[in-house]
Parts: sequence; C-alpha cells; structure tokens
Amino acid sequence: DSGVTQTPKHLITATGQRVTLRCSPRSGDLSVYWYQQSLDQGLQFLIQYYNGEERAKGNILERFSAQQFPDLHSELNLSSLELGDSALYFCASSALGVRKQETQYFGPGTRLLVL
Amino acid sequence: AQSVSQHNHHVILSEAASLELGCNYSYGGTVNLFWYVQYPGQHLQLLLKYFSGDPLVKGIKGFEAEFIKSKFSFNLRKPSVQWSDTAEYFCAVTFNDYKLSFGAGTTVTVRA
Repeated sequence: DSGVTQTPKHLITATGQRVTLRCSPRSGDLSVYWYQQSLDQGLQFLIQYYNGEERAKGNILERFSAQQFPDLHSELNLSSLELGDSALYFCASSALGVRKQETQYFGPGTRLLVL
Repeated sequence: AQSVSQHNHHVILSEAASLELGCNYSYGGTVNLFWYVQYPGQHLQLLLKYFSGDPLVKGIKGFEAEFIKSKFSFNLRKPSVQWSDTAEYFCAVTFNDYKLSFGAGTTVTVRA
C-alpha cells in the first residue's frame, strides 16, 4: 500500500458523458501527478499539481482538466468522453515536486471504460 | 526528443533463471532513473531508483540495476526469479523536469 488512494476503482460510462476521478496523496505530500495508461499509448503523464497550483502539463487533452484542493486531494475531470478515453488513470504523489530527485508513489488507479 | 526504450516486450523464463531487462534513454543531461513493477491487477510499485552515487543500486525483492552513463542505460537484473516475479516492469526517467517518462514496459512471465 503506497498511501495514495483513488476513487472510484472502476467507472463505466457512455460516450459524451463527464466523469470525475479523485485522488488523495500520501500524508504530507504536496505534489500530485496524473498519468494515463492505455494499451496503445502506454503510460503517459497528464498533469502535475503542487500545493494547489498547476506545475506541469503533459499530453492532456483540452477535454480533460484537473485541480488540487486546499486539503491537497486532487480531481481529474474528463468530459465529452470518447471510446478512446478508456484507460487506467493513475495518480501519484511526491513530497515536494520541486526537486527532480524525488520518488513518486502511485495509487491503485481508476479503470475507466467508455461504451 | 527525450525518450525511454525497453528492449524486450515479453520475457518468458523458468523459476531460478536469471533475469535482465534492458532500458535505454535518450538525453545527454542529468537524469533520475527508476524501475517500477506492476503485478497483475495492482498499481505501480517502486522497485529501485538511481539519483546519484554508486551506479549499482539494490532494490526490493532481490532486484538490482546498473546505471551506465556512457551507454545511457539502466538495466534491471535479478539472479534467480520466482513465480511471484510475474509482472510488468517499467523503466522510468525524469529528464530535466519532474514528470516520469515511461518505457513501453516488459511483461515477465515466470513458469513454475
């Protein structure tokens, strides 16, 4: 158990819908990262938040957005869902995210299936 | 462009065999290197990491990896695998930023 929690574990929805994935970082960690794991793209970085502010952006679609709240939990919002958005979405956290020599600890993931 | 490549897509071996998984990256600057493992149905777990110092690093579950800067490589090794090592293994690198760039992963199947 890494200490990072994610809800829900599984999500089944229809095309065009909107979903919210939730992540709670390890106690004391200020940085949260979101990654997408799909069969065709592999594991890809989406976005990073540090202490409530967006720090880095990766291959995140405009239909996707995220935020980090004052209690440091984070939500990833996926809208206008398409079949290709079906994937495993991981959240990771690290202590600071301001030094490059940090370890990211991963949550169990949310498996999204868009029908 | 910065990238991470893992040479083997799928490795099948018998228990007690030795395992070596290759990982190369393309970047001439300072990197931080990681190996993560994903057991079936589970999340990514850190096996080991290299930031600086001794290029031979030891991780959990008997795994070790060697950083060879001149070859841009960070290969993972285990002298004697067990059935429980069946999993997918990912090499990951942070280049001059904070995000992890992952290789495509290597599926390791250990036959009892």
